[in-house]
Amino acid sequence: DTEVTQTPKHLVMGMTNKKSLKCEQHMGHRAMYWYKQKAKKPPELMFVYSYEKLSINESVPSRFSPECPNSSLLNLHLHALQPEDSALYLCASSRPGQGGEQFFGPGTRLTVL
Amino acid sequence: SQELEQSPQSLIVQEGKNLTINCTSSKTLYGLYWYKQKYGEGLIFLMMLQKGGEEKSHEKITAKLDEKKQQSSLHITASQPSHAGIYLCGARSITGTASKLTFGTGTRLQVTL
Repeated sequence: DTEVTQTPKHLVMGMTNKKSLKCEQHMGHRAMYWYKQKAKKPPELMFVYSYEKLSINESVPSRFSPECPNSSLLNLHLHALQPEDSALYLCASSRPGQGGEQFFGPGTRLTVL
Repeated sequence: SQELEQSPQSLIVQEGKNLTINCTSSKTLYGLYWYKQKYGEGLIFLMMLQKGGEEKSHEKITAKLDEKKQQSSLHITASQPSHAGIYLCGARSITGTASKLTFGTGTRLQVTL
């Protein structure tokens, strides 16, 4: 199974809502990533988990809260978002360290009203 | 921080024609990845290059990393409509046990019949 799955595919939320994005992989990868992609821009790294521990936080606002409950799952909890947070959120996984390629999920299209 | 510039920004080619996309880095590349993205979807891994002078091919796509490891090119031979999409180069950097990808500015490819 060489697939990264993300749910939901689309999400619309108000600025006072709390929601979560979910990412799952069963490739045995021990590194997982969250990227944010605005329209017509390349993906930008948000967080990296390595062996279920947060390794990199690219100065992301605290209204985004990542969680890695086990080696197959990665969540991104959203609270009090702003309209400018509307974007495509991509999850990826890879072997940790100097491993191979990152496998990407299809993304969650988030709209904040 | 590392910056990657891609050229051209966009490209329209007739089916059957060859094309080349370039990726230039502001720093030495220690791992260069090429991905393809359909609009609003996840990234599809194409190739990874690590050694200066390395060249890899898959089907009609060839990628090269120059000797000085600051520039890479992606060449498509006899383009087809299925090649249309956004091509992204990504530079890998290692932080502890985690690696991160910084993406280039992207090249949008359209293939006309």
